[in-house]
Amino acid sequence: AQKITQTQPGMFVQEKEAVTLDCTYDTSDQSYGLFWYKQPSSGEMIFLIYQGSYDEQNATEGRYSLNFQKARKSANLVISASQLGDSAMYFCAMRPSLWGGATNKLIFGTGTLLAVQP
Amino acid sequence: EAGVTQFPSHSVIEKGQTVTLRCDPISGHDNLYWYRRVMGKEIKFLLHFVKESKQDESGMPNNRFLAERTGGTYSTLKVQPAELEDSGVYFCASSQGAGANTEAFFGQGTRLTVV
Repeated sequence: AQKITQTQPGMFVQEKEAVTLDCTYDTSDQSYGLFWYKQPSSGEMIFLIYQGSYDEQNATEGRYSLNFQKARKSANLVISASQLGDSAMYFCAMRPSLWGGATNKLIFGTGTLLAVQP
Repeated sequence: EAGVTQFPSHSVIEKGQTVTLRCDPISGHDNLYWYRRVMGKEIKFLLHFVKESKQDESGMPNNRFLAERTGGTYSTLKVQPAELEDSGVYFCASSQGAGANTEAFFGQGTRLTVV
């Protein structure tokens, strides 16, 4: 079964420090996409970063980087130099490949609530 | 360019009533998805439209839920009759393509409370 696991319900981090949000996944597909979304208190889901299963380099987008360890099936999000505005819920998600007729729905974890402290 | 918009942002209804949620995807996006998050749980897929056709409705909880996308533009999700367990946040998302690397753009969600 395809599943995303986020084991940290909540995290605290001091402003300007780095924080790692954990995500592990389970899939038998060879080709898949991994995503991180941010959900601030306003409710919208904001795309942060994407990692393809065949990408050899870890994805980076500004202060966000994805620590992709394929053998361990983990896709942790690293936020460097945390800012107060980073306080939000963070969701890890996976999209299976369309190859072989699989649906391309996103499969989400339960989320991690990050609080950045001044 | 307008993003994905959802109406209403909040809805409080009594058990047994009917509610209709609306989603306007990004213009030109053929793929439209509905997801739901029940309090404290993961966001779960409900269904996927490609234009006006239902590509995958495996996540729809039961026949009290009806989704439509007439003309392949906006979509509605009707819950009739609503039950207490239907409370949650309903998200709509749209994307241009359907590959594994395709980014889905989400709306702000509709918070449904059934009392």
